[in-house]
Amino acid sequence: NAGVTQTPKFRVLKTGQSMTLLCAQDMNHEYMYWYRQDPGMGLRLIHYSVGEGTTAKGEVPDGYNVSRLKKQNFLLGLESAAPSQTSVYFCASRTVQGGSPLHFGNGTRLTVT
Amino acid sequence: SQELEQSPQSLIVQEGKNLTINCTSSKTLYGLYWYKQKYGEGLIFLMMLQKGGEEKSHEKITAKLDEKKQQSSLHITASQPSHAGIYLCGADMGTDKLIFGTGTRLQVFP
Repeated sequence: NAGVTQTPKFRVLKTGQSMTLLCAQDMNHEYMYWYRQDPGMGLRLIHYSVGEGTTAKGEVPDGYNVSRLKKQNFLLGLESAAPSQTSVYFCASRTVQGGSPLHFGNGTRLTVT
Repeated sequence: SQELEQSPQSLIVQEGKNLTINCTSSKTLYGLYWYKQKYGEGLIFLMMLQKGGEEKSHEKITAKLDEKKQQSSLHITASQPSHAGIYLCGADMGTDKLIFGTGTRLQVFP
């Protein structure tokens, strides 16, 4: 049972390049989330999804897009990367709203030069 | 997140000492979650609190949620080097979002 898997683990981009981060969960969870973690900032919610085909904005959505075409996958896209998007990105999932904790992936460390 | 304030930001304690980390909101918390993160690694779920006045313990870590469900504390008794890391509180604010505080960096020295 893999839980939540994020790919890639590390990536370096040049300003203006695009990329997609993939999150996959095998727990049949309805809810999925993308967070970014910066030094001294804790975790900030980028986008989230409450089910297949649905997405919603979090606290810091600008510069990112997401898609949830399949229940088990949640993709985070950067169309034109900026140095301010250098961060560690975490994906998480959980079964129902309230009363269940998030299961986290191991993170993707992204550097934009 | 400004909706969830965590204090202190950093804590350095001597091994064997007790310590408390606080997590506060101006809004009602419908679910409060505590996580621990080792430096450079993923997040480990510690405890979840939902009811006002609820208290849970695991080994030497105790978490409480106040009666108003706006503040939670995490208390570590007789700290050990293995307790070092970043502690994060997360909360359901009554929507589908789950937001986090800014984290507390704990260092324990011998």
